[in-house]
Amino acid sequence: GIQVEQSPPDLILQEGANSTLRCNFSDSVNNLQWFHQNPWGQLINLFYIPSGTKQNGRLSATTVATERYSLLYISSSQTTDSGVYFCAVEGGFSGYSTLTFGKGTMLLVSP
Amino acid sequence: DAGVTQSPTHLIKTRGQQVTLRCSPKSGHDTVSWYQQALGQGPQFIFQYYEEEERQRGNFPDRFSGHQFPNYSSELNVNALLLGDSALYLCASSFGNNYGYTFGSGTRLTVV
Repeated sequence: GIQVEQSPPDLILQEGANSTLRCNFSDSVNNLQWFHQNPWGQLINLFYIPSGTKQNGRLSATTVATERYSLLYISSSQTTDSGVYFCAVEGGFSGYSTLTFGKGTMLLVSP
Repeated sequence: DAGVTQSPTHLIKTRGQQVTLRCSPKSGHDTVSWYQQALGQGPQFIFQYYEEEERQRGNFPDRFSGHQFPNYSSELNVNALLLGDSALYLCASSFGNNYGYTFGSGTRLTVV
């Protein structure tokens, strides 16, 4: 099956700093999503981004499908950004497929 | 517009017991997927239901079974619970392949 690798596994930032999270995947995809998991466990969808660039406030994401990677940018980080960020992909082969998750990046933003 | 709702939010069961978890998909979604997330890990795919049938299955034993109802809601059943079944169980709904998945808040199952 498709492999998803996220880096770094852990990240500690001072409030106000910028960061970049990376997601590499092993095959072509027809879906890529970035999620933030809150302390209660809910996966909050940040971006649906199988290709291209999107921005939402202080967050933006870029997926370069031909090179099989995606980047999540967090600018001017806040303590509320703390949590686990997951990249998940859905394979591009024909037929049905489901999301495969990476192991996540644990982000801690300190005041 | 209601998102994905799961019940119960927390559950404690004894080894060997059976458990049923429930999920109502987001309005307009027709496909339901279930995931198991162990502590410190990413979610792992259990199975997916579409048109009341299991369409795909991950690497989980037959103790894990499910059902989808005509209103698209779904149940996850786990028989003969093991300590290792303790995890957060997440339900996700979707429609087609173009809009991504929406996840519920999960059910945290503890097996003692």
